[in-house]
Amino acid sequence: QVQLVQSGAEVKKPGASVKVSCEASGHTFSSFTLHWVRQAPGQSLEWMGWINGGNGITKYSQKFQGRITITRDTSANTAYMELSSLRSEDTAVYYCARAVGKTYFDYWGQGALVTVSS
Amino acid sequence: DIQMTQSPSSLSASVGDRVTITCRASQGISSWLAWYQQKPGKAPKLLIYTASSLQSGVPARFSASGSGTDFTLTISSLQPEDFSATYYCQQANSFPITFGPGTRLEIK
Repeated sequence: QVQLVQSGAEVKKPGASVKVSCEASGHTFSSFTLHWVRQAPGQSLEWMGWINGGNGITKYSQKFQGRITITRDTSANTAYMELSSLRSEDTAVYYCARAVGKTYFDYWGQGALVTVSS
Repeated sequence: DIQMTQSPSSLSASVGDRVTITCRASQGISSWLAWYQQKPGKAPKLLIYTASSLQSGVPARFSASGSGTDFTLTISSLQPEDFSATYYCQQANSFPITFGPGTRLEIK
């Protein structure tokens, strides 16, 4: 069965960077796009960007442009999301999600809590 | 960016009730809309895609309709497992992908 397993919780200081991983299994990694969606405490969901598992093409939300980098390692069936220049407002649970169809998210990782605090 | 709104923001109902949640897009999105259910501490779960298609494994008491800017999600007979959840709509028409603010469903 399809599974997305993310790395663990992180605590970072303002100005630092964080890199979250998402290991996929149960499907052909190169056949799908993997997206990153975050959720601040008590808030709705916010789309951040995606990577094509096959060709590595990325697309980012304008909001995060310049601070976000999404990469993948096809040999490890893993995608990575790195967010730099962290501030307290970046405290959130970060999810990876597989997209199907037009862009619907049918499988999600378990989430990784990133806390930004001095 | 396409803004998504939902109403109501919260809802109290009883087991067996029929409830409807509304989602509105700030511009036309054809039928490119999904609905998710999220329980506390868990990732969202896809319920409906392309406005009215039921995701595999989702009970038939969930249904949805709409196109253009106005959409609805209906749960025909609430079950205990439907409560303590937040329901989100998501537009897939264009990037950036955007989600509604959510509707919290609680037991009366």
